[in-house]
Amino acid sequence: GENVEQHPSTLSVQEGDSAVIKCTYSDSASNYFPWYKQELGKGPQLIIDIRSNVGEKKDQRIAVTLNKTAKHFSLHITETQPEDSAVYFCAASGGGTSYGKLTFGQGTILTVHP
Amino acid sequence: DTAVSQTPKYLVTQMGNDKSIKCEQNLGHDTMYWYKQDSKKFLKIMFSYNNKELIINETVPNRFSPKSPDKAHLNLHINSLELGDSAVYFCASSQGGSSAFFGQGTRLTVV
Repeated sequence: GENVEQHPSTLSVQEGDSAVIKCTYSDSASNYFPWYKQELGKGPQLIIDIRSNVGEKKDQRIAVTLNKTAKHFSLHITETQPEDSAVYFCAASGGGTSYGKLTFGQGTILTVHP
Repeated sequence: DTAVSQTPKYLVTQMGNDKSIKCEQNLGHDTMYWYKQDSKKFLKIMFSYNNKELIINETVPNRFSPKSPDKAHLNLHINSLELGDSAVYFCASSQGGSSAFFGQGTRLTVV
């Protein structure tokens, strides 16, 4: 089955800096890669996603890149703000008979210091 | 108008008890899921239903039994609760290959 590795497990940045979180996946059949933000006491919330036919996608301060050959994808947050502090999860889906099943990375605790 | 709603939000119960968690989605999605988040925040799928049919069962103990009365509802019943069942349980829904939307979670504590 699919295995997703996420690094780093914790990330601390100053407000205004950029933050990068990286993930690798194992199943070359995976074709959908969402990123979720989870705030304390809440459910994961989709912030951006990318499909395997696209190499990069951007939405305001957030961007995601995908390298299918190397089987890794990354989340880039620019001009970080204190409200970006949360746990971020990458996930992979779509391989074989996964029926939309998401395999998650271990999560990254992002702290943005004012 | 919450998209995916779960009840209860918190559940504290004794070992050996049976409990249920309810989930409803108003997004018109065909697929619903249960995920478990452990104390280290790791999220792992438990079950997936598509149009009321079970399609994914990820080696979850038989004490866990999902039920989908219709495609907008997916409930989770847990028998003979154990200490190790303590976790946050998330319901989610999606349509085809689209993004999954998650509920707010149910924090289950077994004492």
